Amino acid sequence: DAGITQSPRHKVTETGTPVTLRCHQTENHRYMYWYRQDPGHGLRLIHYSYGVKDTDKGEVSDGYSVSRSKTEDFLLTLESATSSQTSVYFCATGGPSGGETQYFGPGTRLLVL
Amino acid sequence: AQTVTQSQPEMSVQEAETVTLSCTYDTSESDYYLFWYKQPPSRQMILVIRQEAYKQQNATENRFSVNFQKAAKSFSLKISDSQLGDAAMYFCAYRSDNQGGKLIFGQGTELSVKP
Repeated sequence: DAGITQSPRHKVTETGTPVTLRCHQTENHRYMYWYRQDPGHGLRLIHYSYGVKDTDKGEVSDGYSVSRSKTEDFLLTLESATSSQTSVYFCATGGPSGGETQYFGPGTRLLVL
Repeated sequence: AQTVTQSQPEMSVQEAETVTLSCTYDTSESDYYLFWYKQPPSRQMILVIRQEAYKQQNATENRFSVNFQKAAKSFSLKISDSQLGDAAMYFCAYRSDNQGGKLIFGQGTELSVKP
C-alpha cells in the first residue's frame, strides 16, 4: 500500500555492529513512522518524522536514531546492535492531516546474534 | 498515556460463522481514531476498518463491522460469514487527533478459521 518499500527485507548481524534500515515511499506523505513488532507487544513506535529533518521519539526509542533528508526516505539506525533489538521492523506513512490512515511497508526481519 | 487492550490472545471460528474480536482502550481525549488491522502470515499490515470517535454510526466494510461504544471505551470487530482467508492476527489500534498521528496498538488476537 501507498508505494512503501523497505530494505533490506531480512538481515542477520552480530552484536555491536551498526545497522541501517531504509524506508522509501512514493506517495509524498509528510508523516513517516518506524515501529517494531515483538510477540505479546503488538507494534510499538520507535521514532517518527513529520517532515524533512523533523523527527521525534516514540515509546521505545532507546538505542535507535533516525534521519530524514528527503520526503521519500526515512532511515532507522541501530548504532550498536544488541540481541534485544532482534525484531520485525515496520515503516508506515500517513497523510498530512491527523486523521489520515497509516499504511505499512512489508517489514524487515532483523536477527542480532 | 493511552493504552489499548485486546484480552483474547486467540480465537477460533467455523467457516461461514460470525466471530467478534474485543478491544478496549483508555484515553482522556475526546477526538481520536480507532482502527483494526489484519496481519496474515505474509506479515503485511492491512487496514480492515477505521472509526472516527466523533461519528456515532458504526463503521462497516463488507463483512467487517465494528461495535463502537465510546462511553465504555470499547471497539469490537465483528466478522460475518468467516472465510479461510480471514485467518490472521488482528490488531486494534488507537490514534490521537494530535501527537503526530502515532498509532498505539493492542497485543493482537490470533484468529483461526476452521473449514
